[in-house]
Amino acid sequence: AQSVTQPDIHITVSEGASLELRCNYSYGATPYLFWYVQSPGQGLQLLLKYFSGDTLVQGIKGFEAEFKRSQSSFNLRKPSVHWSDAAEYFCAVGLGTYKYIFGTGTRLKVLA
Amino acid sequence: GAGVSQSPSNKVTEKGKDVELRCDPISGHTALYWYRQSLGQGLEFLIYFQGNSAPDKSGLPSDRFSAERTGGSVSTLTIQRTQQEDSAVYLCASRDRGLNTEAFFGQGTRLTVV
Repeated sequence: AQSVTQPDIHITVSEGASLELRCNYSYGATPYLFWYVQSPGQGLQLLLKYFSGDTLVQGIKGFEAEFKRSQSSFNLRKPSVHWSDAAEYFCAVGLGTYKYIFGTGTRLKVLA
Repeated sequence: GAGVSQSPSNKVTEKGKDVELRCDPISGHTALYWYRQSLGQGLEFLIYFQGNSAPDKSGLPSDRFSAERTGGSVSTLTIQRTQQEDSAVYLCASRDRGLNTEAFFGQGTRLTVV
């Protein structure tokens, strides 16, 4: 069955530290991959997406993600976290023509 | 519109009452989704519209839930005889046609059933 796993429910990092949020998926073909961010009381905002081509994709707010087919992963990274990055992050997989499956999210806390 | 608009932003209702949640997608977007987000949970798929038809309504949790879309635009999610377990944030998203497109989300309706 298709699934998306975000193993870390909560992550705490210090401001200025690097960040990596993990995402693994289970799907028979190459999916479309997305990272969304949800700030408190807000809807989801797209950070970046992967459809094909270069496996390292750049997004907004200084985020990047790397698609690794061999590991079925699409981890999100940022070299230096800002306090405003505190939010919940969702990995999503697009399957076929319309269906999306979301992970359960990783809540990021940033220490000053 | 400039973005996906949902109304109301907050709704408190008594158990057993019916509620209607509205979604106004981005103009021209043919695909529309409803998701439910419960506290501490991920996004639970409810229903997908392509135009006015709903080829996938497999995520609707019970027959108390229904949704419609008119004019290929506005969608309404209706919950009848609300229960406390229906309390959640209901998110709507729309997407342009084509495979290489992402979904744009509204800010959600927070439903509280008391």
